[in-house]
Amino acid sequence: NAGVTQTPKFQVLKTGQSMTLQCAQDMNHEYMSWYRQDPGMGLRLIHYSVGAGITDQGEVPNGYNVSRSTTEDFPLRLLSAAPSQTSVYFCASGRPFSEAFFGQGTRLTVV
Amino acid sequence: AQSVTQLGSHVSVSEGALVLLRCNYSSSVPPYLFWYVQYPNQGLQLLLKYTTGATLVKGINGFEAEFKKSETSFHLTKPSAHMSDAAEYFCAVSERGSEKLVFGKGTKLTVNP
Repeated sequence: NAGVTQTPKFQVLKTGQSMTLQCAQDMNHEYMSWYRQDPGMGLRLIHYSVGAGITDQGEVPNGYNVSRSTTEDFPLRLLSAAPSQTSVYFCASGRPFSEAFFGQGTRLTVV
Repeated sequence: AQSVTQLGSHVSVSEGALVLLRCNYSSSVPPYLFWYVQYPNQGLQLLLKYTTGATLVKGINGFEAEFKKSETSFHLTKPSAHMSDAAEYFCAVSERGSEKLVFGKGTKLTVNP
C-alpha cells in the first residue's frame, strides 16, 4: 500500500524555469492538498481539491497552478520559478477533519 | 480566521521526563484539533485528533492531549520521554465546515540521554 507518492524527491531549478511536482494517492480520497514547509513557518496550504475537476486556493497560492483530472493525481505546477519558492513541498490526501496522509516531500531549490 | 500558536519552537527534555508541548488556537467555534509528528526527512504523521466527545484524547506512542475550551488550548503530553520521540511536532486546526487545515509553526523536541 503506497499511500501518497511524490516525485521527484529533490529538484534544483534555475529562476524562470517551470516544472511540475507530481502527487499520486491510492486511497481513493476525494480531498487532496499541497503545502509548503519553510523553517519557522510550519506548513502553509497552497491549493487543495475536493474532487476531480474542483480546486481552490489556500493561504499561499501565488506562483502555483493545480488541476485535478483524476481522483488519484494532483500535480502542482510552477510556471516561472523564483528563489522565494525554494522550500519543501508536501502533498496530502484525506479530508482535514479526518486524517491527512502526507507524502515524503519534494525538496526544491531555485537558484 | 482560525490560527494556531505553539509556544516554544524548541523544547528539550531528559529521557524519562514529562513531555509538554503547548498549543493554543483561535477560532469562533470549537474546531477540530490535531497533533502531527514529523521525523527527520519524512512527511507528517497523525498522532491524535479531537473532533467531538471526550476532551482527553489518546494517540499513538503514548501521547495524549486535552481539549480545554475555556483556555482555547490543546496541549500535548507524554509521561515519560523516549529517545525515539525526538522529532518536530505540529498542532493543527480545522474549523467545522472548512476544507482547510491550518498548522502551527512547530515545536522541535530534543530528548537528552
